Amino acid sequence: AQSVTQLDSQVPVFEEAPVELRCNYSSSVSVYLFWYVQYPNQGLQLLLKYLSGSTLVKGINGFEAEFNKSQTSFHLRKPSVHISDTAEYFCAANSQGGSEKLVFGKGTKLTVNP
Amino acid sequence: KAGVTQTPRYLIKTRGQQVTLSCSPISGHRSVSWYQQTPGQGLQFLFEYFSETQRNKGNFPGRFSGRQFSNSRSEMNVSTLELGDSALYLCASSTTGDTDTQYFGPGTRLTVL
Repeated sequence: AQSVTQLDSQVPVFEEAPVELRCNYSSSVSVYLFWYVQYPNQGLQLLLKYLSGSTLVKGINGFEAEFNKSQTSFHLRKPSVHISDTAEYFCAANSQGGSEKLVFGKGTKLTVNP
Repeated sequence: KAGVTQTPRYLIKTRGQQVTLSCSPISGHRSVSWYQQTPGQGLQFLFEYFSETQRNKGNFPGRFSGRQFSNSRSEMNVSTLELGDSALYLCASSTTGDTDTQYFGPGTRLTVL
């Protein structure tokens, strides 16, 4: 069965610093990968997705992620964070032909401090 | 284009009661999925409906059920509520549902007392 692991439950950083949120997945078949962001008391907003093609994916709000098949990773990066990036970030996977829809990681709480 | 809407946004129920939550997908989307979000278990897939048929189901007891109408709107029902059913219930819609991007609504916060 598909599983997604987010290695850090909390990541504190200072404003304008770079950040990387780590995500690893397990799958023996083709997989589609997503990053979502959740602000307090809101639903999930799609940041970016990898379906196929270029392994470097650019998303909204200056975020990007790199798909690494050999390391089964899909880490999210931003070169310079803002206070407004404080939120919870979820990595998710959807296997081709899988019976479940999205399988989510446990989430990473990003806190950007001034 | 309007996003996914969910009603109500907040609900308070007592143990043993039942509850119905509603989800209106993005116009043109035919797939609706439901997820439960709790601090302990995170985000878990409940079920997916496509063209009024349940296409996928997660690992939840039969107390959790759903349906989809011809206009793609969906409802989920939880009977005989338990304290552990307190959660944020998220609905997501997509066009065909297979590997399409899912767009989420704001959720319904259910509190069971």
